[in-house]
Amino acid sequence: GAVVSQHPSRVICKSGTSVKIECRSLDFQATTMFWYRQFPKQSLMLMATSNEGSKATYEQGVEKDKFLINHASLTLSTLTVTSAHPEDSSFYICSAPEGSTDTQYFGPGTRLTVL
Amino acid sequence: GENVEQHPSTLSVQEGDSAVIKCTYSDSASNYFPWYKQELGKRPQLIIDIRSNVGEKKDQRIAVTLNKTAKHFSLHITETQPEDSAVYFCAVGYGNNRLAFGKGNQVVVIP
Repeated sequence: GAVVSQHPSRVICKSGTSVKIECRSLDFQATTMFWYRQFPKQSLMLMATSNEGSKATYEQGVEKDKFLINHASLTLSTLTVTSAHPEDSSFYICSAPEGSTDTQYFGPGTRLTVL
Repeated sequence: GENVEQHPSTLSVQEGDSAVIKCTYSDSASNYFPWYKQELGKRPQLIIDIRSNVGEKKDQRIAVTLNKTAKHFSLHITETQPEDSAVYFCAVGYGNNRLAFGKGNQVVVIP
Protein backbone atom coordinates (compact mmCIF):
# COMPACT_ATOMS: atom_id res chain seq x y z
CA GLY A 1 0.00 0.00 0.00
CA ALA A 2 0.89 3.66 -0.18
CA VAL A 3 3.16 5.20 2.47
CA VAL A 4 2.31 8.26 4.51
CA SER A 5 4.73 9.76 7.02
CA GLN A 6 4.30 12.25 9.85
CA HIS A 7 6.73 14.40 11.74
CA PRO A 8 7.30 14.68 14.63
CA SER A 9 6.16 11.40 16.15
CA ARG A 10 5.75 13.01 19.54
CA VAL A 11 6.03 16.52 20.89
CA ILE A 12 5.76 18.08 24.31
CA CYS A 13 5.15 21.80 24.53
CA LYS A 14 4.20 24.46 27.01
CA SER A 15 0.72 25.88 27.18
CA GLY A 16 0.30 28.87 24.87
CA THR A 17 2.86 27.80 22.29
CA SER A 18 2.18 26.63 18.74
CA VAL A 19 3.06 23.25 17.30
CA LYS A 20 3.40 22.29 13.66
CA ILE A 21 2.84 18.73 12.45
CA GLU A 22 3.80 17.60 8.95
CA CYS A 23 2.12 14.92 6.88
CA ARG A 24 3.78 13.62 3.73
CA SER A 25 2.77 11.17 1.06
CA LEU A 26 6.03 9.44 0.17
CA ASP A 27 5.34 7.52 -3.02
CA PHE A 28 2.25 9.17 -4.43
CA GLN A 29 0.69 12.57 -4.85
CA ALA A 30 -2.29 13.61 -2.79
CA THR A 31 -4.43 16.60 -3.69
CA THR A 32 -6.45 15.86 -0.56
CA MET A 33 -5.32 14.83 2.90
CA PHE A 34 -7.31 14.40 6.07
CA TRP A 35 -6.51 15.28 9.67
CA TYR A 36 -7.92 13.30 12.57
CA ARG A 37 -7.69 13.54 16.32
CA GLN A 38 -7.86 10.51 18.58
CA PHE A 39 -8.19 10.66 22.36
CA PRO A 40 -7.12 7.63 24.43
CA LYS A 41 -9.32 4.59 23.88
CA GLN A 42 -11.58 6.53 21.56
CA SER A 43 -12.30 6.62 17.87
CA LEU A 44 -10.79 8.76 15.17
CA MET A 45 -12.58 12.06 14.75
CA LEU A 46 -12.19 13.84 11.44
CA MET A 47 -11.06 17.42 12.00
CA ALA A 48 -10.61 18.76 8.50
CA THR A 49 -9.91 18.07 4.86
CA SER A 50 -6.70 19.58 3.55
CA ASN A 51 -6.94 20.65 -0.09
CA GLU A 52 -3.90 21.36 -2.22
CA GLY A 53 -4.12 24.86 -3.66
CA SER A 54 -7.19 25.93 -1.73
CA LYS A 55 -8.53 26.40 1.77
CA ALA A 56 -9.06 23.50 4.12
CA THR A 57 -12.56 22.33 4.88
CA TYR A 58 -13.26 22.00 8.59
CA GLU A 59 -15.73 19.68 10.27
CA GLN A 60 -18.43 21.10 12.48
CA GLY A 61 -17.12 22.21 15.85
CA VAL A 62 -13.45 22.42 14.81
CA GLU A 63 -11.96 25.91 15.17
CA LYS A 64 -10.19 26.83 11.97
CA ASP A 65 -8.22 29.64 13.62
CA LYS A 66 -6.87 27.24 16.21
CA PHE A 67 -6.02 24.39 13.87
CA LEU A 68 -4.33 25.95 10.86
CA ILE A 69 -3.93 23.73 7.85
CA ASN A 70 -1.72 24.37 4.86
CA HIS A 71 -1.44 22.04 1.88
CA ALA A 72 1.78 23.38 0.42
CA SER A 73 2.36 20.80 -2.29
CA LEU A 74 0.98 17.57 -3.69
CA THR A 75 2.91 15.60 -1.08
CA LEU A 76 2.80 17.80 2.03
CA SER A 77 0.12 19.04 4.40
CA THR A 78 0.79 20.72 7.72
CA LEU A 79 -1.38 21.14 10.79
CA THR A 80 -0.47 23.89 13.24
CA VAL A 81 -2.06 23.81 16.66
CA THR A 82 -1.97 27.43 17.75
CA SER A 83 -1.90 28.60 21.38
CA ALA A 84 -2.01 25.01 22.55
CA HIS A 85 -3.65 24.13 25.86
CA PRO A 86 -3.64 20.89 27.87
CA GLU A 87 -7.03 19.90 26.42
CA ASP A 88 -5.40 19.84 22.98
CA SER A 89 -3.22 16.95 24.10
CA SER A 90 -4.11 14.08 21.82
CA PHE A 91 -2.96 11.75 19.06
CA TYR A 92 -3.13 13.56 15.71
CA ILE A 93 -3.18 11.38 12.60
CA CYS A 94 -3.27 12.30 8.95
CA SER A 95 -4.39 10.20 6.02
CA ALA A 96 -4.29 10.45 2.28
CA PRO A 97 -6.26 8.69 -0.44
CA GLU A 98 -4.16 7.07 -3.15
CA GLY A 99 -5.03 7.91 -6.70
CA SER A 100 -8.61 8.39 -7.65
CA THR A 101 -9.96 5.87 -5.15
CA ASP A 102 -11.19 6.62 -1.66
CA THR A 103 -8.85 4.07 -0.06
CA GLN A 104 -7.04 5.99 2.65
CA TYR A 105 -3.63 5.33 4.11
CA PHE A 106 -2.71 6.69 7.50
CA GLY A 107 0.42 8.31 8.82
CA PRO A 108 1.99 6.96 12.03
CA GLY A 109 0.46 9.74 14.12
CA THR A 110 1.84 12.50 16.34
CA ARG A 111 1.44 12.33 20.10
CA LEU A 112 1.00 15.91 21.36
CA THR A 113 1.31 16.64 25.06
CA VAL A 114 0.67 20.18 26.23
CA LEU A 115 1.92 20.96 29.72
CA GLY B 1 -23.59 13.42 9.01
CA GLU B 2 -22.98 9.71 8.86
CA ASN B 3 -23.72 7.75 12.05
CA VAL B 4 -21.63 4.60 12.45
CA GLU B 5 -22.03 2.09 15.26
CA GLN B 6 -20.02 -1.01 16.11
CA HIS B 7 -20.95 -4.00 18.23
CA PRO B 8 -19.73 -5.49 20.50
CA SER B 9 -17.32 -3.02 22.08
CA THR B 10 -15.12 -5.81 23.41
CA LEU B 11 -14.79 -9.34 22.12
CA SER B 12 -12.74 -12.16 23.63
CA VAL B 13 -12.19 -15.34 21.65
CA GLN B 14 -10.15 -18.47 22.12
CA GLU B 15 -7.23 -18.86 19.77
CA GLY B 16 -8.37 -20.73 16.69
CA ASP B 17 -12.00 -19.65 16.98
CA SER B 18 -13.70 -17.09 14.74
CA ALA B 19 -14.46 -13.47 15.57
CA VAL B 20 -17.25 -11.43 14.04
CA ILE B 21 -17.73 -7.69 14.44
CA LYS B 22 -20.76 -5.89 13.09
CA CYS B 23 -21.05 -2.30 12.00
CA THR B 24 -24.22 -0.37 11.16
CA TYR B 25 -24.50 2.94 9.37
CA SER B 26 -27.19 5.48 8.63
CA ASP B 27 -26.66 6.92 5.14
CA SER B 28 -28.01 4.65 2.43
CA ALA B 29 -26.00 6.57 -0.17
CA SER B 30 -22.68 5.39 1.30
CA ASN B 31 -20.79 2.98 -0.94
CA TYR B 32 -17.36 2.41 0.60
CA PHE B 33 -16.79 0.36 3.76
CA PRO B 34 -13.24 -0.26 5.05
CA TRP B 35 -12.05 -2.00 8.19
CA TYR B 36 -8.93 -0.84 10.02
CA LYS B 37 -6.83 -2.57 12.65
CA GLN B 38 -5.04 -0.42 15.19
CA GLU B 39 -2.49 -1.64 17.70
CA LEU B 40 -1.75 0.46 20.76
CA GLY B 41 0.00 3.70 19.88
CA LYS B 42 0.21 2.89 16.19
CA ARG B 43 -1.48 3.98 13.00
CA PRO B 44 -4.71 2.37 11.76
CA GLN B 45 -3.90 -0.25 9.14
CA LEU B 46 -6.36 -1.02 6.37
CA ILE B 47 -7.07 -4.75 6.50
CA ILE B 48 -9.95 -5.09 4.08
CA ASP B 49 -12.53 -2.95 2.36
CA ILE B 50 -15.66 -3.48 0.30
CA ARG B 51 -17.65 -1.37 -2.07
CA SER B 52 -21.38 -1.45 -2.52
CA ASN B 53 -21.36 -3.34 -5.80
CA VAL B 54 -20.40 -6.61 -4.05
CA GLY B 55 -21.79 -8.45 -1.05
CA GLU B 56 -18.69 -10.24 0.20
CA LYS B 57 -14.93 -10.03 -0.06
CA LYS B 58 -12.31 -12.37 1.35
CA ASP B 59 -8.57 -12.13 1.91
CA GLN B 60 -7.09 -15.24 3.55
CA ARG B 61 -8.44 -15.33 7.13
CA ILE B 62 -10.25 -12.01 6.81
CA ALA B 63 -13.62 -11.46 5.17
CA VAL B 64 -16.17 -8.69 5.02
CA THR B 65 -19.86 -9.05 4.21
CA LEU B 66 -22.15 -6.20 3.28
CA ASN B 67 -25.93 -5.92 3.50
CA LYS B 68 -26.84 -2.61 1.89
CA THR B 69 -30.55 -3.08 2.41
CA ALA B 70 -30.12 -3.43 6.16
CA LYS B 71 -27.21 -0.95 6.19
CA HIS B 72 -24.75 -3.12 8.01
CA PHE B 73 -21.47 -4.83 7.27
CA SER B 74 -19.41 -7.29 9.25
CA LEU B 75 -15.78 -8.28 9.68
CA HIS B 76 -15.05 -11.98 9.98
CA ILE B 77 -11.72 -13.28 11.25
CA THR B 78 -11.26 -17.04 11.12
CA GLU B 79 -8.65 -19.17 12.90
CA THR B 80 -7.78 -16.29 15.21
CA GLN B 81 -4.24 -15.90 16.43
CA PRO B 82 -2.80 -13.88 19.33
CA GLU B 83 -1.45 -11.30 16.87
CA ASP B 84 -5.03 -10.56 15.84
CA SER B 85 -5.52 -8.91 19.25
CA ALA B 86 -6.07 -5.19 18.55
CA VAL B 87 -8.75 -2.55 18.19
CA TYR B 88 -10.73 -2.84 14.98
CA PHE B 89 -12.50 0.17 13.50
CA CYS B 90 -15.11 0.10 10.81
CA ALA B 91 -15.53 3.18 8.67
CA VAL B 92 -18.00 4.42 6.10
CA GLY B 93 -17.16 6.62 3.16
CA TYR B 94 -19.28 9.73 2.67
CA GLY B 95 -19.01 12.97 0.68
CA ASN B 96 -15.67 14.01 -0.82
CA ASN B 97 -13.78 10.84 0.17
CA ARG B 98 -14.27 11.45 3.88
CA LEU B 99 -14.54 8.57 6.34
CA ALA B 100 -16.75 8.33 9.40
CA PHE B 101 -15.40 5.86 11.95
CA GLY B 102 -17.15 3.63 14.42
CA LYS B 103 -16.05 3.63 18.06
CA GLY B 104 -13.93 0.54 17.69
CA ASN B 105 -13.93 -3.02 19.00
CA GLN B 106 -11.27 -4.38 21.30
CA VAL B 107 -10.59 -7.94 20.18
CA VAL B 108 -8.68 -10.15 22.60
CA VAL B 109 -7.47 -13.54 21.41
CA ILE B 110 -6.82 -15.84 24.34
CA PRO B 111 -3.96 -18.29 23.73
